[in-house]
Amino acid sequence: GAVVSQHPSWVICKSGTSVKIECRSLDFQATTMFWYRQFPKQSLMLMATSNEGSKATYEQGVEKDKFLINHASLTLSTLTVTSAHPEDSSFYICSARDGVRGGVPGNTIYFGEGSWLTVV
Amino acid sequence: DAKTTQPPSMDCAEGRAANLPCNHSTISGNEYVYWYRQIHSQGPQYIIHGLKNNETNEMASLIITEDRKSSTLILPHATLRDTAVYYCIVSNNNDMRFGAGTRLTVKP
Repeated sequence: GAVVSQHPSWVICKSGTSVKIECRSLDFQATTMFWYRQFPKQSLMLMATSNEGSKATYEQGVEKDKFLINHASLTLSTLTVTSAHPEDSSFYICSARDGVRGGVPGNTIYFGEGSWLTVV
Repeated sequence: DAKTTQPPSMDCAEGRAANLPCNHSTISGNEYVYWYRQIHSQGPQYIIHGLKNNETNEMASLIITEDRKSSTLILPHATLRDTAVYYCIVSNNNDMRFGAGTRLTVKP
């Protein structure tokens, strides 16, 4: 299956600093990428949807100025958690939809391995 | 909000078939049924998806009812490594929203 890679796998940062998480589609072009967060023993919560070359669409309740999403190319999206606080500690997961094949939008979405963020 | 309903947990004996049900009575005509699973502390793993026909791949089979209001994921010979949370999702690919899923425990 297609591969989506996230980096870093885990990160510890100090409160008040910013941290960037990268999401790459390694063997396909991703026209759309999604970002989720997951707290322990809970399901994944969609944070935002990003399309290559345009602004991300954020879910209700997700602060766009705090969670900056950039999808500058068909293989890379980044999530920057600005001025992180301990309550932002979570498991962040991205996914990517395989792109256009023969003029038809892809319809399989693959997930990255996730990134653990701990803010101290 | 998720548009699917799944039992919170199920058990299955190792080597037996695991049949995981999912109700999606409000599914729209252009929405696919997707199944993913998540093993602890990892990203979700794609299993299978379908629109209206039954599908089979090397991991599982997906049976979708004729009215498309429910589906069943079948793991033909469950192993201990299949213990995970299984998510059934309906999506037209504009977004992918997760419900609570079914925690499948495969027992020796």
